[in-house]
Amino acid sequence: DIQLTQSPPFLSASVGDGVTITCRASQGISSYLAWYQQKPGTAPKLLIYAASTLQSGVPSRFSGSGSGTEFTLTISSLQPEDFGTYYCQSLTDFPLTFGGGTKVEIK
Amino acid sequence: EVQVVQSGAEVKEPGESLRISCKGSGYSFSNYWIGWVRQMPGKGLEWMGIIYPGDSDTRYGPSFQGQVTISVDKSINTAYLQWSSLKASDSAIYYCARTTGSFYSFDYWGLGTLVTVSS
Repeated sequence: DIQLTQSPPFLSASVGDGVTITCRASQGISSYLAWYQQKPGTAPKLLIYAASTLQSGVPSRFSGSGSGTEFTLTISSLQPEDFGTYYCQSLTDFPLTFGGGTKVEIK
Repeated sequence: EVQVVQSGAEVKEPGESLRISCKGSGYSFSNYWIGWVRQMPGKGLEWMGIIYPGDSDTRYGPSFQGQVTISVDKSINTAYLQWSSLKASDSAIYYCARTTGSFYSFDYWGLGTLVTVSS
């Protein structure tokens, strides 16, 4: 099974900052990766799939890149509503594992 | 409009059985995988398993194989997650979600079903 390791586990940044979250896969998964945002008490929301394809309705300040074993989620200019926990997910081969999450706090 | 609607919160005692449901609407239910995701209190997301309503093809995560059963009744556009004998450690929020058409990412999520198992 594929293991996904996210870093950092926690980050605190100011409004307007650029933020990058990394997801590393235990083996190559091509571009089969998704990113989600989850706010407290709510269901996760799909942000990006296929490593870099922005889900409809997601602001363009979110972007994804990478392939193989290393992927990044970038928020170009952090907004107050971007707080929450971000998860990556492998989309190749069952089980479709989630990463451990990165909690983003707004300073 | 695509919607995924889950059944309400449950409070059960250890050893009891339970089935929770997930109803899809606004799309061709048979043609999209439906998955289940567990979130234990204060913890991350865990992929439990997935089912294809068209032919009931079902896959489980290794931690959940043999512990739960995922099923579907496509005549009523509803997927199910069931336990035969609950444990306290099954207390969690359970989300169901629909996959996107060409990838296994989850694009539409239910609100979650809180399951509390306590004596």
